[in-house]
Amino acid sequence: DIQMTQSPASLSASLGETVTIECRASEDIYNGLAWYQQKPGKSPQLLIYNANSLHTGVPSRFSGSGSGTQYSLKINSLQSEDVASYFCQQYYDYPDTFGAGTKLELK
Amino acid sequence: QVQLKESGPGLVQPSETLSLTCTVSGFSLTSYSVSWVRQPSGKGPEWMGRMWYDGDTAYNSALKSRLSISRDTSKNQVFLKMNSLQTDDTGTYYCTRDSHYFDYWGQGVMVTVSS
Repeated sequence: DIQMTQSPASLSASLGETVTIECRASEDIYNGLAWYQQKPGKSPQLLIYNANSLHTGVPSRFSGSGSGTQYSLKINSLQSEDVASYFCQQYYDYPDTFGAGTKLELK
Repeated sequence: QVQLKESGPGLVQPSETLSLTCTVSGFSLTSYSVSWVRQPSGKGPEWMGRMWYDGDTAYNSALKSRLSISRDTSKNQVFLKMNSLQTDDTGTYYCTRDSHYFDYWGQGVMVTVSS
């Protein structure tokens, strides 16, 4: 199985700050990567697919980049509603696998 | 609009079988695939298996011996059955619309395995 390693595990940032979350795959996943946001008690919501495509209705302050084994999610101008956990998922190879998550809090 | 809703028991006895139903609306099961994803509390999600739009299935090898996914297209429903449940199967179970990535999720159903 492809292992997805997310960093950091937790992150504290101020309103208006730019935040970056990293995800490293154990092998090349050829941009088969998605990012999800999960607020407490809610189901995950798709943010980014194909490594850098923004899902419908997602604010443009969210962006994804990367290639090969290294990918990142950037949140520009952090808002209070961005407090959540974030997960990456690779769907290049079976089985689909997820990262362990990054918990984002306000400083 | 696209909606998915899971239903099923919240408590299952160890060694028993879990049966869940996902009822979808806003899209056709013959045009989109549906996956089941579970998540232990405080941990990352785990993909369990997929009902392809053409009726084929795919399973996570870690669960394949215990898991079965089926569907009834006339009722817009996808079913999950998993046997021999243990305490580490406790968590929230989601059905998702599957476009390789999971673009819509149900609200989830919390399943506790306990005697």
